Amino acid sequence: GQNIDQPTEMTATEGAIVQINCTYQTSGFNGLFWYQQHAGEAPTFLSYNVLDGLEEKGRFSSFLSRSKGYSYLLLKELQMKDSASYLCAVRDPAGGYQKVTFGTGTKLQVIP
Amino acid sequence: SAVISQKPSRDICQRGTSLTIQCQVDSQVTMMFWYRQQPGQSLTLIATANQGSEATYESGFVIDKFPISRPNLTFSTLTVSNMSPEDSSIYLCSVDRGQGNREQYFGPGTRLTVT
Repeated sequence: GQNIDQPTEMTATEGAIVQINCTYQTSGFNGLFWYQQHAGEAPTFLSYNVLDGLEEKGRFSSFLSRSKGYSYLLLKELQMKDSASYLCAVRDPAGGYQKVTFGTGTKLQVIP
Repeated sequence: SAVISQKPSRDICQRGTSLTIQCQVDSQVTMMFWYRQQPGQSLTLIATANQGSEATYESGFVIDKFPISRPNLTFSTLTVSNMSPEDSSIYLCSVDRGQGNREQYFGPGTRLTVT
């Protein structure tokens, strides 16, 4: 089976740093995605981690530990526009179709 | 990244009718996916569509209800058949360029309301 867990909601202050955690248990693993989704819009690709470690892209960084089934998304210098849902998703090669399964998402509210 | 367009962007349909959603990509892609996102929920994979073969459906989704076409490497359609209010959702097309670039991108989505 597949299980992807993330906190349902988080609140953080403008200018601060926030870390959104994701744990997963899947039958196979071939990469982990983070997406940002503003209300009423399609998900926007943020990052894709295949190997362990931290990858940084501007204010956003994503970390992966395959042995622990764990990832986090780090958002620095938070801005009001970062208020959105953040979706963790895992690619599972089982069945040969590289299926991507999504967690329930973390709704982040940035407050002044 | 990939430029993905979907038609229609939204529609309001009557119970019992069918709607076909189109997904067009700006370049050839190996794999195309159709997702559903019900209000307040995360994304659920409906099926995977590869060109030249029948779509692979996830548990809970069947071809009679959600027939899919993939006539070439840049286009796919999803039909929502015999609609009921429970089918009200956002339907999203997604693509994976495959070998060498495994990032997965989404189209803008089709917001469907069934009355």
